This record gives sequence, C-alpha cells and structure tokens, in this order.
Amino acid sequence: DGGITQSPKYLFRKEGQNVTLSCEQNLNHDAMYWYRQDPGQGLRLIYYSQIVNDFQKGDIAEGYSVSREKKESFPLTVTSAQKNPTAFYLCASSMRIKNIQYFGAGTRLSVL
Amino acid sequence: AQSVSQHNHHVILSEAASLELGCNYSYGGTVNLFWYVQYPGQHLQLLLKYFSGDPLVKGIKGFEAEFIKSKFSFNLRKPSVQWSDTAEYFCAVNALDNNNDMRFGAGTRLTVKP
Repeated sequence: DGGITQSPKYLFRKEGQNVTLSCEQNLNHDAMYWYRQDPGQGLRLIYYSQIVNDFQKGDIAEGYSVSREKKESFPLTVTSAQKNPTAFYLCASSMRIKNIQYFGAGTRLSVL
Repeated sequence: AQSVSQHNHHVILSEAASLELGCNYSYGGTVNLFWYVQYPGQHLQLLLKYFSGDPLVKGIKGFEAEFIKSKFSFNLRKPSVQWSDTAEYFCAVNALDNNNDMRFGAGTRLTVKP
C-alpha cells in the first residue's frame, strides 16, 4: 500500500536519552514534515525538508534533530535537550506544489 | 509569522443538527486552504481544499467550506451531522508567497450525540 509509515507506535524515553522516531514514505513525495501535537495546541511544525540533504527548522526545533539522506526517509531524533518531549508526533509528506499533506499514524512518546 | 485561529475548541451537537466551524487566518498574501479531519484512532486526512476559483468548495462526506477573502476566513459547514462525524477538525493555511509556509489551527473537537 502507498503511504507513510511511522514507527514505533509507542516509545518511552528515559531521562538523558536520545530517541529516534522513524518515518518512511513510498509516495515519491519531495517534501516531508514533522509535527508535534499537544492537546489544545494543534499541530506545531518541528522540522521540514523540501528535498534530499536539505531541511529547515520549524517553530519548535529546539531539542530535536533530523536527517534526510534518502527521499523516502525523514527520521526525527528527540534529544536529551528537549525537556518536555511527551507528545504525539506526526510525520507528513507532500508534493512540493499544492502542498496537500499526507500523514502517518503517529508515534506517542512518553518519558519514564 | 502567520497564524490560524479556530474559534471553538469543543462543539457538541445532536444528530441532524447543522454544523459550522470557524477558521480565520492572519496572512494577507496568496493562500491555499485546507480542512483536515482526525477520526478517533485514525490518521489525519484531508477533508477538503481550496486552491483557486469558486470560493465554495465541497469535500467528502457532505462537508463544504467557503473562502471569504475579505474576512480571511474559511469556515467549514455541514447541513446535517451524523454520529460518525465525531472527530477532531483542523484548519490549515499554506502561504504561497511566504516560502510555502503551512500553519495549522489548534483544532476543534466535534462530538455528535446519537
């Protein structure tokens, strides 16, 4: 099936630990995005990438890092510098034109 | 930076009632507009979109939205809601002349009572 696959579905982080969330798409989309969803705050953009080997910070990039080595993949690392990582993380992709975004099922991250 | 405001955080309706969810944005340039829906336990998915042309757009499941440029609004409507419309609804605005910047509203949770 075509779409966006996020893994794992649930993730637990210990204090001081970095964790990586996976996002893979087989839609042949150029652009990929990471959002954080908190209750009552909608979706806030963490990072986005419009092309391989290039990415831009969104509104809340502090404490996060990304890479875009392949068109299909855009992993997000939540570093120990992110002091409030508990949230639902959504990955999306789109064609560069029109920007209709297609979303994955999300990863719920909690702190132990 | 542009912003998107959704006026209602939680709306509760009975089946067959009419629905209108408000969405206003702050950006003055050219925009594409979207409504996304997140049903319980499901992916966020596109409900409808406006790119250009007729400001009244129709989406899936009987939803429609009207773009009023002078009011910077893109309100979502449905004449008669069903229990299966219970979901969270997000308005999104894509600023075409601002590096394709995409912003989402905070969302409106709709509960439809059977």
